[in-house]
Amino acid sequence: NAGVTQTPKFRVLKTGQSMTLLCAQDMNHEYMYWYRQDPGMGLRLIHYSVGEGTTAKGEVPDGYNVSRLKKQNFLLGLESAAPSQTSVYFCASGPTGSGTNQPQHFGDGTRLSIL
Amino acid sequence: ELKVEQNPLFLSMQEGKNYTIYCNYSTTSDRLYWYRQDPGKSLESLFVLLSNGAVKQEGRLMASLDTKARLSTLHITAAVHDLSATYFCAVALNTGNQFYFGTGTSLTVIP
Repeated sequence: NAGVTQTPKFRVLKTGQSMTLLCAQDMNHEYMYWYRQDPGMGLRLIHYSVGEGTTAKGEVPDGYNVSRLKKQNFLLGLESAAPSQTSVYFCASGPTGSGTNQPQHFGDGTRLSIL
Repeated sequence: ELKVEQNPLFLSMQEGKNYTIYCNYSTTSDRLYWYRQDPGKSLESLFVLLSNGAVKQEGRLMASLDTKARLSTLHITAAVHDLSATYFCAVALNTGNQFYFGTGTSLTVIP
């Protein structure tokens, strides 16, 4: 029963490098989300998707891109990493969006450091 | 944009005591969620509150929602050490697909 799986779990990048974070869910959920968690700021939504082939911007989308080519996968890309993107990144999925009695299911997080 | 505030940010309490965490939000919504996060871990769903006056209880935790006051509370009864964690509330707009999280309340229960 995997649920939501994020890879990698840890990563250190140099400023200017690019990378992709992968989120995979096996619950057949339509909705998927990428958040970043910073100390004292809770979780902030970066991008989200309401279904295969769709993406939308959240609160803090600048510097990130996403793709949802397959229903079960949601990729988060950093085109040119900056120290301000050092954070813990969480992926979440849900059967529908807001207005449901089903909460979001979260992955274990990716701890990303940009030097 | 919907703003969500939690109080207090940090809470240290003795075992056996009661306390309440507050979650205020800025825009009309009747969709509120409570999560727990242990250090270095993921978020675990605790409660889903979807209507005014909703009350949910699980063990020593009870959550309620007052949509008119734009306020949710998470009440802790007779705290035990295992409840030490960070608690987040999250609010979703009545329309749309985005969730907005509070800053979290870091709870430490002292034996």
